[in-house]
Amino acid sequence: NAGVTQTPKFQVLKTGQSMTLQCAQDMNHNSMYWYRQDPGMGLRLIYYSASEGTTDKGEVPNGYNVSRLNKREFSLRLESAAPSQTSVYFCASSDYGGLPNNQPQHFGDGTRLSIL
Amino acid sequence: GDSVTQMEGPVTLSEEAFLTINCTYTATGYPSLFWYVQYPGEGLQLLLKATKADDKGSNKGFEATYRKETTSFHLEKGSVQVSDSAVYFCALANSGYALNFGKGTSLLVTP
Repeated sequence: NAGVTQTPKFQVLKTGQSMTLQCAQDMNHNSMYWYRQDPGMGLRLIYYSASEGTTDKGEVPNGYNVSRLNKREFSLRLESAAPSQTSVYFCASSDYGGLPNNQPQHFGDGTRLSIL
Repeated sequence: GDSVTQMEGPVTLSEEAFLTINCTYTATGYPSLFWYVQYPGEGLQLLLKATKADDKGSNKGFEATYRKETTSFHLEKGSVQVSDSAVYFCALANSGYALNFGKGTSLLVTP
């Protein structure tokens, strides 16, 4: 009954370091998403993958890259971390039901990332 | 562009009080509307949704009605419990794949 699994749960980086946040879902969903959550800002979409083999930019893509490795896995990479990227990162997945995509999104528990 | 506006929090209520969290939206066309809940240290969970005007979504005693004439989707519960303490997000889905979230409203219910 895992749902959406994110690793790691916590991470501290120094400015300029790189790292990859991992996300895997076991619900056979077509679509996957990466959001960041900042105080007073709600959730903002970084990147999404509507289906395996496709990725698209969201509202705040600068400084990030993504890879849809297969149907289950969608990773987020910070190439050169900056303090402004300190945030809580959530991965989500959903079925694809056409547009508008009103299928519920299922979220992981988040990765809390601090960049010093 | 599309946007969601929620009432500012935090909201503090006594157990068994009536809850309303206001949500209004701006969107073209006919968006689908959602309420998500986030408990401390966890990800968001879908609470309820409505996909067309006048639909009422309901779950766990919470309700919200899609009002196109007032572009609103207010969340209500008749009697809150301490376990309802969480952050509540209103969201919409429109022409794109991803959800457009409000900033969230923190609810604290005291015994």
